[in-house]
Amino acid sequence: EAQVTQNPRYLITVTGKKLTVTCSQNMNHEYMSWYRQDPGLGLRQIYYSMNVEVTDKGDVPEGYKVSRKEKRNFPLILESPSPNQTSLYFCASTTATNYGYTFGSGTRLTVV
Amino acid sequence: KNEVEQSPQNLTAQEGEFITINCSYSVGISALHWLQQHPGGGIVSLFMLSSGKKKHGRLIATINIQEKHSSLHITASHPRDSAVYICAVWGGSQGNLIFGKGTKLSVKP
Repeated sequence: EAQVTQNPRYLITVTGKKLTVTCSQNMNHEYMSWYRQDPGLGLRQIYYSMNVEVTDKGDVPEGYKVSRKEKRNFPLILESPSPNQTSLYFCASTTATNYGYTFGSGTRLTVV
Repeated sequence: KNEVEQSPQNLTAQEGEFITINCSYSVGISALHWLQQHPGGGIVSLFMLSSGKKKHGRLIATINIQEKHSSLHITASHPRDSAVYICAVWGGSQGNLIFGKGTKLSVKP
């Protein structure tokens, strides 16, 4: 089944404790991206990657890092999480050709 | 001013009604997406449009590139259509997907 897999689904952590949210797709998509969703603000792009070893900042990259060492994986790293990073996070992928997006199930992160 | 504006923000309908959700954008785009987010939080891609009109079951999406406007229509609405509908535009080479804030639809039986 074609899908984007995010893990974990839920995570509660403490301020300053490094964490990684994983994202993997099995569709050989070139383009992958991370978004956060907050009440009243909607979805906002954090980082995106057009292909392996090619990443770029979205609208709200502060406090986040990403890497794209393999085509299928695009982890989101929070080196020192803070409470304002409490949010619902989504990973998504698409090909540059047909533009159809597939979203992961989301990760609800709480930083206390 | 937001680059992608949706209206209405909230919509309540009776089962069976015809529903229209609007999306206007101010940037040049390669494609426009309509997404559906159910209360559980998962996001599903409904349509990708670069011109004209697409239909899938009771859902119809249209886009007018000259007017920078798209509409999502739901015919014979049903309570299971209750969700947040999100419009998003993609500039293509910029790699950036820009979202509207969503329209929360509630269909009452």
